[in-house]
Amino acid sequence: SAVISQKPSRDICQRGTSLTIQCQVDSQVTMMFWYRQQPGQSLTLIATANQGSEATYESGFVIDKFPISRPNLTFSTLTVSNMSPEDSSIYLCSVNGAAGGADTQYFGPGTRLTVL
Amino acid sequence: KQEVTQIPAALSVPEGENLVLNCSFTDSAIYNLQWFRQDPGKGLTSLLLIQSSQREQTSGRLNASLDKSSGRSTLYIAASQPGDSATYLCAGGGWDTDKLIFGTGTRLQVFP
Repeated sequence: SAVISQKPSRDICQRGTSLTIQCQVDSQVTMMFWYRQQPGQSLTLIATANQGSEATYESGFVIDKFPISRPNLTFSTLTVSNMSPEDSSIYLCSVNGAAGGADTQYFGPGTRLTVL
Repeated sequence: KQEVTQIPAALSVPEGENLVLNCSFTDSAIYNLQWFRQDPGKGLTSLLLIQSSQREQTSGRLNASLDKSSGRSTLYIAASQPGDSATYLCAGGGWDTDKLIFGTGTRLQVFP
């Protein structure tokens, strides 16, 4: 299993600013995932973050808008840049309990972002 | 491209009823299927994981099945309780990656 913490738990930001969300895992993991959950919607994968390499972004998401850092095997950050009200969502990070889908995926508690 | 759909979108039932939540996926080349629970304002809690080689998994009052040929998974909740009220999400995992494609969710309310 894995225990994941995220900071901040919530924030209210002004349009045009940026917010960096931190994700800390209690064990070393190869891949970390960042998801977005817009109001009333399900989860959508933003990107996969591997330690030591560039993050892999899903269709519709770009590095300039959502830069990701992965400095070590237990930590990652996601920045939401030049925010607009449409970025208001819950942002979640997750890891796999084991590689290859052999274990469930564990999620952090999420960061609730409101952009005014 | 994998697409995952859940029906019904919302369900409200009295306590004690047995429930079936449905999940459909378009790509049968699925590696695993996971069911999660999400409580308001909180993250996701894993309920059950079914590997592609398995047909079903059980945990307490929960039973999940997987039929790859028909592209379906069901989550069966026996003797529902008010504490089961939450949003239930299914998610499919692909062969070449550990990323998950999430369904649209079923919002369940169990009233006393």
